Amino acid sequence: DIQMTQSPSSLSASVGDRVTITCRASQSISSYLNWYQQIPGKAPNLLIYAASSLQSGVPSRFSGSGSGTDFTLTISSLQPEDFATYYCQQSYSTPYTFGQGTKLEIK
Amino acid sequence: QVQLVESGGGLVKPGGSLRLSCAASGFTFSDYYMSWIRQAPGKGLEWVSYISSSGSTIYYADSVKGRFTISRDNAKNSLYLQMNSLRAEDTAVYYCARQNFQLLKGWFDPWGQGTLVTVSS
Repeated sequence: DIQMTQSPSSLSASVGDRVTITCRASQSISSYLNWYQQIPGKAPNLLIYAASSLQSGVPSRFSGSGSGTDFTLTISSLQPEDFATYYCQQSYSTPYTFGQGTKLEIK
Repeated sequence: QVQLVESGGGLVKPGGSLRLSCAASGFTFSDYYMSWIRQAPGKGLEWVSYISSSGSTIYYADSVKGRFTISRDNAKNSLYLQMNSLRAEDTAVYYCARQNFQLLKGWFDPWGQGTLVTVSS
């Protein structure tokens, strides 16, 4: 199975900050990497697919990059509604696996 | 609009069975692969199973293989998860999600609101 490791596991930041979350795969997954946002009590919501494609309706302050084993999710200027947990997920092979999550909290 | 609505969750004793349903609307259900994904309380996301658009291809996570069965009824726009021999560690919110593909790359969107399964005596 492909292991996905996110860092950090938690992060405190302020409105307006630039934030970067990293996801590392245990083997190369090309660009088969997606990012989701989950607000407590809600279902996950797709932000980025295929490593760098912005899902329709998602604000442009979100961006994704990377290929192979190392990927990043960047939020260019944090907004109050961005405080949530973020997950990466590989779709290179089954079983599809998720990172453990990064909880983004208000400083 | 595209919508997925799960149902069938509840409290069940260890060793018991439960059948989850996911009703799809707003898109051509028979064109899409579908997955079940779960989230234990306070934990991360775990993919459980997927089924191809025709139902001919199915995969399971090792943690549920032999106990869970995924199926679909394209005429009813519905996805199912039959869960047998349930264990305490199966306690989770279960989400159904549509799988989208582009140049073989896939992602889950949208997700249903989830249904809670609690396995406890």
